Amino acid sequence: QKEVEQNSGPLSVPEGAIASLNCTYSDRGSQSFFWYRQYSGKSPELIMSIYSNGDKEDGRFTAQLNKASQYVSLLIRDSQPSDSATYLCAVKKSTGFQKLVFGTGTRLLVSP
Amino acid sequence: KAGVTQTPRYLIKTRGQQVTLSCSPISGHRSVSWYQQTPGQGLQFLFEYFSETQRNKGNFPGRFSGRQFSNSRSEMNVSTLELGDSALYLCASTFGVNTEAFFGQGTRLTVV
Repeated sequence: QKEVEQNSGPLSVPEGAIASLNCTYSDRGSQSFFWYRQYSGKSPELIMSIYSNGDKEDGRFTAQLNKASQYVSLLIRDSQPSDSATYLCAVKKSTGFQKLVFGTGTRLLVSP
Repeated sequence: KAGVTQTPRYLIKTRGQQVTLSCSPISGHRSVSWYQQTPGQGLQFLFEYFSETQRNKGNFPGRFSGRQFSNSRSEMNVSTLELGDSALYLCASTFGVNTEAFFGQGTRLTVV
């Protein structure tokens, strides 16, 4: 079992729709959770962080965390073609200082 | 505020050579982590430095090493390069223990 799992996609949504990206993790003691966006050939860009159960909203993005189910999700409302990228879920384990464990990423395609 | 700066952006090296990559973190950030990204393995943690000390190391051979200077700048070195070392090497800068990590633009290393 991988430590952080994501569906590789691609996830295809039409412009204006809601894109839902999911991630599960295995370390029950994990404390910090992050979503990064990575365009092809570029480095990961942090878009959301979440540390406690529930929802966290920032503009068109909402991160959801359920520690009991070991599940993190990212919702992108009013999806735009510019949102087309790979979305990486990252988890900071309970031990290991700043070590981030990444999922393999979900490729999102937003069609005009 | 300047972001994370990595140099050089691109490198082409021959098998057997060694290479040194540099990373300057965001001003005030004292933790620097290094990651390797390949299409097959995704983002893999190499090591983390804080106050010139390596605090954590990933599962990579001893050919991969690093260090951090008193101004928080970090370097990583790969000796005896192998074809499989071709990858995007990313540096991440963090301020505190459970805070967000910000990535530099990366160094794309090609070993021929």
